[in-house]
Amino acid sequence: AQSVTQLGSHVSVSEGALVLLRCNYSSSVPPYLFWYVQYPNQGLQLLLKYTSAATLVKGINGFEAEFKKSETSFHLTKPSAHMSDAAEYFCAVSDSMDTGRRALTFGSGTRLQVQP
Amino acid sequence: EAGVAQSPRYKIIEKRQSVAFWCNPISGHATLYWYQQILGQGPKLLIQFQNNGVVDDSQLPKDRFSAERLKGVDSTLKIQPAKLEDSAVYLCASSQTGGSSEAFFGQGTRLTVV
Repeated sequence: AQSVTQLGSHVSVSEGALVLLRCNYSSSVPPYLFWYVQYPNQGLQLLLKYTSAATLVKGINGFEAEFKKSETSFHLTKPSAHMSDAAEYFCAVSDSMDTGRRALTFGSGTRLQVQP
Repeated sequence: EAGVAQSPRYKIIEKRQSVAFWCNPISGHATLYWYQQILGQGPKLLIQFQNNGVVDDSQLPKDRFSAERLKGVDSTLKIQPAKLEDSAVYLCASSQTGGSSEAFFGQGTRLTVV
């Protein structure tokens, strides 16, 4: 079974400050890992994904995440927060081995607030 | 490229009534998912289709929820009868088969059961 833990349901940063959203996963097989963003009343949009290539993954809007197997972590970072980054962020894991069962298991989400 | 289409966007019903949601996936995507997202939580998988066959419905409350994907394209999710705890956003997603299978999500249907 797979699971995802997102530490901190709410994170508040100042505009221009570093954004760090934490994600730890549990998986019995090599995982695929994803970060999605959800704006109010919208569906989920993919920010970035790890699929066993480079451990440092760059995504859209200046976000990046690093896969650390030893720590079972996939934390999301952005050097400088922008007001438009305020949203809900979800970390998710899927099974890389079983091509027929690629459904995502999501964490509970982290709401990012950006203060002016 | 058109995204995943869902309708309706919002629905309010009384408990014990029935409701149906519709999803049209991205063209060519063989895999279709329905997720339930309760307020303050991450999405939870209800059912996964591969073409018109069910791959995983282990978390679908089958006594009240049903889903079908006719001809391997559009899908409908039905709840009958609805309970108060079914109030949630129902998200449809689709993906290609193989590779990392990135899932593309629709905007969701917000269901309120009163």
